[in-house]
Amino acid sequence: QKEVEQDPGPLSVPEGAIVSLNCTYSNSAFQYFMWYRQYSRKGPELLMYTYSSGNKEDGRFTAQVDKSSKYISLFIRDSQPSDSATYLCAVRRRDSSYKLIFGSGTRLLVRP
Amino acid sequence: GAGVSQTPSNKVTEKGKYVELRCDPISGHTALYWYRQSLGQGPEFLIYFQGTGAADDSGLPNDRFFAVRPEGSVSTLKIQRTERGDSAVYLCASSSAPDSYNEQFFGPGTRLTVL
Repeated sequence: QKEVEQDPGPLSVPEGAIVSLNCTYSNSAFQYFMWYRQYSRKGPELLMYTYSSGNKEDGRFTAQVDKSSKYISLFIRDSQPSDSATYLCAVRRRDSSYKLIFGSGTRLLVRP
Repeated sequence: GAGVSQTPSNKVTEKGKYVELRCDPISGHTALYWYRQSLGQGPEFLIYFQGTGAADDSGLPNDRFFAVRPEGSVSTLKIQRTERGDSAVYLCASSSAPDSYNEQFFGPGTRLTVL
């Protein structure tokens, strides 16, 4: 079993839709939770990071963590064609070498 | 430049050959990471440097893989006797300091193809 599970998609939505992306993780030792966005042939770039259960909002993006169920989500409001990319969730232990453990990524396509 | 740079951007080699992949981290970043991303997968951790030393190399798949960072800045990932299964995008990331949380900034990657 992978330490982080993520639905690979692809997910296709019309412009303006609310997008929900989700991951589950297996180990309660993971304390940091991140969402990265990766455009084709580019490196991942950090969108959101949190270390506590609950919601964190940044513009059109909201990250949600539920540590009790080991579930993390990213919501995108008013999605734009420029949001079309692969979204990667990542987790990290507090006491590790700071290595990130990624999900497999969800491909998102926002149709104009 | 301001970001992490990696060279070459693409590398095609033949099975059994030796390759070197280079990473230039953001200036002043003490922590450097190598990840490998196979098609349709998320990046997988390979090795982490703090300064010149490899603090965690638990992700290196076997002894054909080796990485160095002799002066605490530029790093080179070396792969001996390449195999077709080594084909992937090799990503480098750097961060300012490995305490609590510091964002890892990723480079564009080197796409390695082993024929």
